[in-house]
This record gives sequence, C-alpha cells and structure tokens, in this order.
Amino acid sequence: DTTVKQNPRYKLARVGKPVNLICSQTMNHDTMYWYQKKPNQAPKLLLFYYDKILNREADTFEKFQSSRPNNSFCSLYIGSAGLEYSAMYLCASSRARGQDTQYFGPGTRLLVL
Amino acid sequence: GEQVEQLPSSLIVQEGASVLINCSYTDSASVYFPWYKQEPGKRLQFIIDIRSNMERKQNQRLTLLFDKKTKHLSLHITATQPGDSAIYFCSASTGDTNTGKLTFGDGTVLTVKP
Repeated sequence: DTTVKQNPRYKLARVGKPVNLICSQTMNHDTMYWYQKKPNQAPKLLLFYYDKILNREADTFEKFQSSRPNNSFCSLYIGSAGLEYSAMYLCASSRARGQDTQYFGPGTRLLVL
Repeated sequence: GEQVEQLPSSLIVQEGASVLINCSYTDSASVYFPWYKQEPGKRLQFIIDIRSNMERKQNQRLTLLFDKKTKHLSLHITATQPGDSAIYFCSASTGDTNTGKLTFGDGTVLTVKP
C-alpha cells in the first residue's frame, strides 16, 4: 500500500485562528514532507521530517510548525492563519532522503476567511 | 537557490500526437530530476526520473532526455491519449542526503482531445 492520507480534505478557517492538518502513511517511510501549492504555481516545500529531525525552509521558518509523534503521522500547524495561507497543502513521504521517490497525499484545501 | 522553469505552460493536442515538455534548472549541483503528473482531482503521481549521470531514460511512451551542459531536460510523450491530460511537473533535487529537497517547476497543463 503506497497510500498517503490527509485529514481533513477541506478546511475553513478564520483569520487569526489556528489550523492543524494531519498526514499519515503506513509505508514505514523515514521522511515526511509538507508542501504548499497555490493555483498555477509550483508546489513549495515548507518543511520535512527525517525520522525525528525537523527541517524547515528559511522563508517559512516562523510561519509553520510541525510534529511527528511517531513514524506514521505528521502534522502541520499554523498558529494564526492569515489570508495568504489559503492554499492546497500537500503531504508526501519517501523511504529515505535525497534521490528517492516521494509519494503524495490528496492534499488539504485550506480557505482562510 | 535552485530555480526550475517549464515551457510551455500549457498545450492542447489531438489524440495520437506527440508532445514535448521542456524544463530548465539553474543549480549545477542538482543531480536528480523526478517528474510528476497530476490528473484532474487526483494526487501528484511520480511518472519518471533521471539522474545526472544519464542522458536518456524511457518508460513506455515516456522518454526523458537530459543535457547536463545546458541544464535542460525534455519529456517526450508519444501516442498521446485523453487519459494523458494532466498537469506535468518537472523537479530538481541536489540529492543531498541532508535535505532531499525537491524544487518544482510551475507545471505544464496538457490537454489531449479525442
């Protein structure tokens, strides 16, 4: 089973409120990624976990938090949502790091009003 | 950092035609180039990849060409079918085991008309 699952699939949030998105995989992959994708734009890497080590991109360092309580689950947390956070959030996982296929989830569409 | 550009941004072809999607990158340290496609309403799906020590890779109707000198890739799809209609994304990775970071292009929207 190469399925990556994401919950919820759709999320409506108010400006200034927190948002928590969940991703899970049962492939025992070491690495899990979170991307942000806006219409007609490339998926943009926000952060990733290799095992228990979190790596955040420099330009999104303060905007997103994440946790990985076990190998299968990974969350993406926004402390105070702004209008600019409206996007599709994609979770992916891979067996290792570097040159390894990433398997993507269906995404969570977040709309901030 | 790495930048990836894809051209064209969209194309429409008749079923049976061949298409070419071009991709260029800027970081000479990039060594791994996976391509993904996203069909309408579906998740991103890996379709083919190439490493910088190769010039060509084929997977059924897909052929991926790589030119390290010009930092250019091209994806050739032959005998297109309506089911090939999707957004195709080129990506590049430095292959650094400390990052595994993929930088994506903005995508090419392919529409295959029956």
